[in-house]
Amino acid sequence: AQSVTQLGSHVSVSEGALVLLRCNYSSSVPPYLFWYVQYPNQGLQLLLKYTTGATLVKGINGFEAEFKKSETSFHLTKPSAHMSDAAEYFCAVILSGNTGKLIFGQGTTLQVKP
Amino acid sequence: ETGVTQTPRHLVMGMTNKKSLKCEQHLGHNAMYWYKQSAKKPLELMFVYNFKEQTENNSVPSRFSPECPNSSHLFLHLHTLQPEDSALYLCASSQDRGIGGYTFGSGTRLTVV
Repeated sequence: AQSVTQLGSHVSVSEGALVLLRCNYSSSVPPYLFWYVQYPNQGLQLLLKYTTGATLVKGINGFEAEFKKSETSFHLTKPSAHMSDAAEYFCAVILSGNTGKLIFGQGTTLQVKP
Repeated sequence: ETGVTQTPRHLVMGMTNKKSLKCEQHLGHNAMYWYKQSAKKPLELMFVYNFKEQTENNSVPSRFSPECPNSSHLFLHLHTLQPEDSALYLCASSQDRGIGGYTFGSGTRLTVV
């Protein structure tokens, strides 16, 4: 069963435009939620995470995400895209009660046009 | 540099070769992981080690053999691989259950010819 789904394998925005990358999870108990970024020929870098507390989480490079339990979503946003944001973005979850396995979505490639 | 170092960065091997991938972390983490990243497929968790003990083997073929001699080092021994095993192999580490997030290495790009 798919635990995390990212809608859209490719997203293209213009420089300065809003970035919205969608992520939904499937779990009856809120999981721990993460967004990672991968630049070409590199490993994954943690952008932000939600564990408990405030549902709007701020991360590095101006990104933020909001945990919405009613929608089982954890969408990633950035008000103004920069050329350097072009990369692949992964949403991931650790299911509550799990042994700590980080389960990834399929990834979304973000293209930023000048 | 993330604190998780993988070597080599690139590896080309024939199907009859034996090679090993190495991962090292100096973050004081007690859990280490191997992931496989293939084109157009989600990241696949292969193995999980906690305090040197293997706690997860995600139905990985026996031609992949992990080894974790201590909490700071993780190896992936490879033998008689297939071309479809060509991928980016990522190592990661975390503290406890990883709720604080995993730290990933830069990966080893493996090509099987």
